[in-house]
Amino acid sequence: SQQGEEDPQALSIQEGENATMNCSYKTSINNLQWYRQNSGRGLVHLILIRSNEREKHSGRLRVTLDTSKKSSSLLITASRAADTASYFCATDLNTGFQKLVFGTGTRLLVSP
Amino acid sequence: DAGITQSPRYKITETGRQVTLMCHQTWSHSYMFWYRQDLGHGLRLIYYSAAADITDKGEVPDGYVVSRSKTENFPLTLESATRSQTSVYFCASSESRTPFAETQYFGPGTRLLVL
Repeated sequence: SQQGEEDPQALSIQEGENATMNCSYKTSINNLQWYRQNSGRGLVHLILIRSNEREKHSGRLRVTLDTSKKSSSLLITASRAADTASYFCATDLNTGFQKLVFGTGTRLLVSP
Repeated sequence: DAGITQSPRYKITETGRQVTLMCHQTWSHSYMFWYRQDLGHGLRLIYYSAAADITDKGEVPDGYVVSRSKTENFPLTLESATRSQTSVYFCASSESRTPFAETQYFGPGTRLLVL
């Protein structure tokens, strides 16, 4: 069963617009991570937010975490065509192990 | 070059054949993982390893075998390939600086087609 579920499944925007993706999960976590996957490539880590953090920034990325709602959002500001990719959230299982559980992803298309 | 590599990148095989997918990392990361990626399922963990000679099952281990005799290598073997094992396979590694899941670094993937 999926621990993380992204929403929406697909998102299409114009360059310069902001893109927001959401992730919901089911059980308590220690941290939540976001990854990007370009077509035909491996996943690339974007940002990690710990359960005691509420917001984190990295360049044009802003991630929020609401542990009371078991949800996270990834905001990409001023999107570029190069941001076109699939975005996945991943959560640990709060078991003390290194395993991550990935959601099914949001496919983002940024048109010039 | 340093990093995590997978070979082969593409593989076509027939039902019933044994196939081994290779994964090699140069960071000396303790943890290594094998995932498969299928449409509608996202990434699912097949096996993982905490160190050399320590491996454990993930979410979908049936039909797969792993070994880890050296820290840098983590091969995945399909003992008798089936069509349902047609997928894209990703290897990943991570350090273990904390007890919790840290950043994972992914290889480029192996596209496997079982006819």
